[in-house]
Amino acid sequence: EAQVTQNPRYLITVTGKKLTVTCSQNMNHEYMSWYRQDPGLGLRQIYYSMNVEVTDKGDVPEGYKVSRKEKRNFPLILESPSPNQTSLYFCASSLALAGVNEQFFGPGTRLTVL
Amino acid sequence: QKEVEQNSGPLSVPEGAIASLNCTYSDRGSQSFFWYRQYSGKSPELIMSIYSNGDKEDGRFTAQLNKASQYVSLLIRDSQPSDSATYLCAFSNSGYSTLTFGKGTMLLVSP
Repeated sequence: EAQVTQNPRYLITVTGKKLTVTCSQNMNHEYMSWYRQDPGLGLRQIYYSMNVEVTDKGDVPEGYKVSRKEKRNFPLILESPSPNQTSLYFCASSLALAGVNEQFFGPGTRLTVL
Repeated sequence: QKEVEQNSGPLSVPEGAIASLNCTYSDRGSQSFFWYRQYSGKSPELIMSIYSNGDKEDGRFTAQLNKASQYVSLLIRDSQPSDSATYLCAFSNSGYSTLTFGKGTMLLVSP
C-alpha cells in the first residue's frame, strides 16, 4: 500500500529534550515536506526537500532541523523543543514533476512540549 | 507575501444540495491549484487538482479556476453528510517547490 508513515503519532516531552519525528514514504517520491498545523493559523511549511541531500526552508523553519540522506526518509529534528512548538505535525511527499505538486500526507504527529 | 484567503465558515448545506467553496490567492505566479479535504483529527487528503483556467470535474466534485481573477472554487454536488469536513485550498508557486495553504472552510452537511 502506497503511504507516508510518521512516528511517533503522539509525543509528550519537556522543554529542551531533543527529539526526532520520523517520516518515511514508499512511493519513490523525490519531494518531501514537513508542515505544522495550529488552530487559526492553518498549515504552515517548515522545511522541504526536492531530493536526496537537497533541503530548504519553508515559512517557519526556526527551531527545526531536517536531513535527507535517503530518498524514502525525511526526519524532523527538534534540538531544543519549546512550548511554542506544541502542534500537529504532518509529513508529505510528492513526485517532483514540473507543474505537479500533488502532495500526499502522513497521518500526523501530535506533539506537546511542557 | 503569498496569501490564500478562504471563508472559515462553517458553511451549512442540507443533504443533496450543492456546496460552493471559494478561495482567492495573491501570488500571480501561482501555477497549480489544489483542494484538500481534512476530517477532524485526520490528515489532509487531496481531492482535486487544477492547472489551467476553466472547470475540471471528477464525480460529484468540480473545481473552477480563473487565473485573471485569482480565484479558485470547489463545487460539491449532491452533498452528503460524509462530506462534512474542512476543505483546504492550496497553490503551488512558480518553482513548484512549495504549497501555500488557506486556513480552510468548514463544511457541514445536515441530513
